[in-house]
Amino acid sequence: EAGVAQSPRYKIIEKRQSVAFWCNPISGHATLYWYQQILGQGPKLLIQFQNNGVVDDSQLPKDRFSAERLKGVDSTLKIQPAKLEDSAVYLCATSKGYTGELFFGEGSRLTVL
Amino acid sequence: AQKITQTQPGMFVQEKEAVTLDCTYDTSDPSYGLFWYKQPSSGEMIFLIYQGSYDQQNATEGRYSLNFQKARKSANLVISASQLGDSAMYFCAMREGGKNSGYSTLTFGKGTMLLVSP
Repeated sequence: EAGVAQSPRYKIIEKRQSVAFWCNPISGHATLYWYQQILGQGPKLLIQFQNNGVVDDSQLPKDRFSAERLKGVDSTLKIQPAKLEDSAVYLCATSKGYTGELFFGEGSRLTVL
Repeated sequence: AQKITQTQPGMFVQEKEAVTLDCTYDTSDPSYGLFWYKQPSSGEMIFLIYQGSYDQQNATEGRYSLNFQKARKSANLVISASQLGDSAMYFCAMREGGKNSGYSTLTFGKGTMLLVSP
């Protein structure tokens, strides 16, 4: 079974530029999460989808971050414009149901200069 | 208030010895789940073990066991017979709500870096 796929693995941009990350979940996993992990900290939830609907986006900085999950499969996370403090690893995770076990991708490491 | 607290920024252990990684949690929900994930330098989060709040016995998965003390609100991870490949960051996480509550999110602690020496 293929795992959660994310791209790009690494991205370096200057502040005020935009960036987009892509996530392809494990087949059949209805729930998809985007987490932000700043160096030295645990992952923090940004947004949670159930199929293509948003369940929780309370910690998403909506003035600069947006995410969508068209057709309930792939998802993209966009940052525009980026700030220095957005430098982090963006982790995509998916789960099959409500058991809570999340399967993570390898993450997309963003550096904002 | 932090929901998950991991007080050990780093731990050292010798190969083949056992090590305990501490985790305390805070919730008023009677139904919750506790998880441990391992994050090696590659960055991927790997699920290790799960304990439900109503589970009578402590969870075990191979060399991993969870020392669940409900009254103390602690869920420590015990790794027996450490291996060099166990060197990684370890995160404790909690999901509030029961199995059927749905749409639950996972809250993570700050992690503990474990280094296993030969």
